[in-house]
Amino acid sequence: RKEVEQDPGPFNVPEGATVAFNCTYSNSASQSFFWYRQDCRKEPKLLMSVYSSGNEDGRFTAQLNRASQYISLLIRDSKLSDSATYLCVVNINGGGNTPLVFGKGTRLSVIA
Amino acid sequence: GAGVSQTPSNKVTEKGKYVELRCDPISGHTALYWYRQSLGQGPEFLIYFQGTGAADDSGLPNDRFFAVRPEGSVSTLKIQRTERGDSAVYLCASSLNGVGGYTFGSGTRLTVV
Repeated sequence: RKEVEQDPGPFNVPEGATVAFNCTYSNSASQSFFWYRQDCRKEPKLLMSVYSSGNEDGRFTAQLNRASQYISLLIRDSKLSDSATYLCVVNINGGGNTPLVFGKGTRLSVIA
Repeated sequence: GAGVSQTPSNKVTEKGKYVELRCDPISGHTALYWYRQSLGQGPEFLIYFQGTGAADDSGLPNDRFFAVRPEGSVSTLKIQRTERGDSAVYLCASSLNGVGGYTFGSGTRLTVV
């Protein structure tokens, strides 16, 4: 099983739609979870951290299910500018200072 | 500096040559990471520095790859005897103390011809 798995997409959705991405991780001891956004030919940028209680930032909601080792990202009222690749990121070995492991990313295209 | 700076932004080299890629992290960030990203893939971990020392180099693919951070700030990733398979975007990131999310530089696009 890969350490961090995501559906690569692409997800093609109309403006205004709600879209959800899922991600699974292999190590139940993992402690830190993030979603990054990467635009074409640009570096990844931190979108949001994912907390056990779930967290929301505007149109974006992140959820963590530790029992199922599963993370999700929900985007409501999609905008054209949301088109990007969304990377699921996990501190896979659980220690505070261990490197983050990135999924392959899920491509989203929001169309007018 | 204000962000993570990587130079050069693009590097084309011939197979077999030696290259050095430089990363200047955010001022005060003690943790520095090198990743490599190929087309259609997520960033793949190479090496992590905490201060001057390599805390984890388990991602370096082979002994042609080496990285240093002699003064705990700027880091250089060195690749000897480059191969076409080394072509990728090399990303550097830093974080304040190794906990939490990272800030990435814009990367060096390495092409080995």
